[in-house]
Amino acid sequence: GAVVSQHPSWVICKSGTSVKIECRSLDFQATTMFWYRQFPKQSLMLMATSNEGSKATYEQGVEKDKFLINHASLTLSTLTVTSAHPEDSSFYICSASALPQPQHFGDGTRLSIL
Amino acid sequence: DAKTTQPTSMDCAEGRAANLPCNHSTISGNEYVYWYRQIHSQGPQYIIHGLKNNETNEMASLIITEDRKSSTLILPHATLRDTAVYYCIVKVVDGGATNKLIFGTGTLLAVQP
Repeated sequence: GAVVSQHPSWVICKSGTSVKIECRSLDFQATTMFWYRQFPKQSLMLMATSNEGSKATYEQGVEKDKFLINHASLTLSTLTVTSAHPEDSSFYICSASALPQPQHFGDGTRLSIL
Repeated sequence: DAKTTQPTSMDCAEGRAANLPCNHSTISGNEYVYWYRQIHSQGPQYIIHGLKNNETNEMASLIITEDRKSSTLILPHATLRDTAVYYCIVKVVDGGATNKLIFGTGTLLAVQP
């Protein structure tokens, strides 16, 4: 089956630093990748949609300068949380899509900002 | 995309069939029904999807009513490892912005030993 790899799986860093999370589709080319955020005991919230070679489309309320998304190839998208603060601590999950196949998700990155 | 309604939680005995309902009364003709599940601290896992015919794969069966206003996901022999939050999502399949998945609150299925 389709495999999506996310790295790192867990990161702890100091307030004010930037953190980059990678999302790779290992065995298929993903025309679109998605980034979600999930707080404890809540559902997944879509942050942005990323198409290879073009700017990401952000959902309402998501700061594009805070959450930088790059989708440079059909197998790699990155999410950079800039100047992270404790309120950015969350579970970040990516998914990859190659229509007409269903989206497949990575295992998530747990981000803790001290 | 149309919204879905699912029970907040359900219990199922190990080895029994788990039947998870989903209402999607405002579904459009070109929208598919997708099911994903999320085991604690992991990313969602694709289970199955369908348009109007019943579907079956190695994980589950999907039964869609004739009017397409509701569906049921069936796990034929639930195990403890099936304990998870199950999400029912409806969406079109195309290359546009509507390809995104919008997650509701899902159903927490607890499989009991």
